[in-house]
Amino acid sequence: DVKVTQSSRYLVKRTGEKVFLECVQDMDHENMFWYRQDPGLGLRLIYFSYDVKMKEKGDIPEGYSVSREKKERFSLILESASTNQTSMYLCASSSHPFNYGYTFGSGTRLTVV
Amino acid sequence: SQQGEEDPQALSIQEGENATMNCSYKTSINNLQWYRQNSGRGLVHLILIRSNEREKHSGRLRVTLDTSKKSSSLLITASRAADTASYFCATDYLTGANSKLTFGKGITLSVRP
Repeated sequence: DVKVTQSSRYLVKRTGEKVFLECVQDMDHENMFWYRQDPGLGLRLIYFSYDVKMKEKGDIPEGYSVSREKKERFSLILESASTNQTSMYLCASSSHPFNYGYTFGSGTRLTVV
Repeated sequence: SQQGEEDPQALSIQEGENATMNCSYKTSINNLQWYRQNSGRGLVHLILIRSNEREKHSGRLRVTLDTSKKSSSLLITASRAADTASYFCATDYLTGANSKLTFGKGITLSVRP
C-alpha cells in the first residue's frame, strides 16, 4: 500500500528550539507539500516542492524552511520554535501532471511550550 | 488565499439518510476534490472532478460541479455511522505548469446510529 510517513505522531518542543519534521513517501511522487491545520482555519499551505532541491513558499512560510535533498523526503524545519507554531502538521504528496488526489501522512501534532 | 468555502459548517443526520455538503470557490479551477478526515488523522482523498466534468460517482458518493456558479456538492447516500468525519473541498487553481490545492475549512458530519 502506498504511503506517506511522518516521523512523529506527537512532538513536544521548547520555545526557541530548532525542530525538524520529516516526511517520506514511497510512491515516487514529484510533488510534496507541507500544511498546518488549526481549528477554525482549515489547512494552510506552508511550503511545497515540485522537484528535488526546489521549493516554493506557500501561504504562510514565515518561521519555517524546508529541505528536499532526495525525491522521497521532504523536511519541514522550524528555525526557532514559538508557541504560535503549536499545530497539526500534515505532509502530502502527489504525482505530476496533477490529475490525481494528494496522499496525506497521518500528521504530526506539535506542541511548543 | 483563495479558499473554497464549505456549507454547512456542521451537519448531523440519522444513519441511512443522505448527506449533502456544498462548496463554493472564487476563481477558475483545474479540478475540485473532496477529502475526508477522521478525528486527529490525515486526510483521505475521496473523489476528483475536473473542470470539464459535471458529475462523478464513486460508490455511495456523488459529486457535482457547476463552473458557472463556481460551486460543487458532495452527496453521501445511505449514510453510516462510519461516515462521521470532517469533509473538505479543495480546489486546484490554475497556476501555470504546476498547480497546488487550496482547502476549505471543512464540514463536520455526524451520523447518529
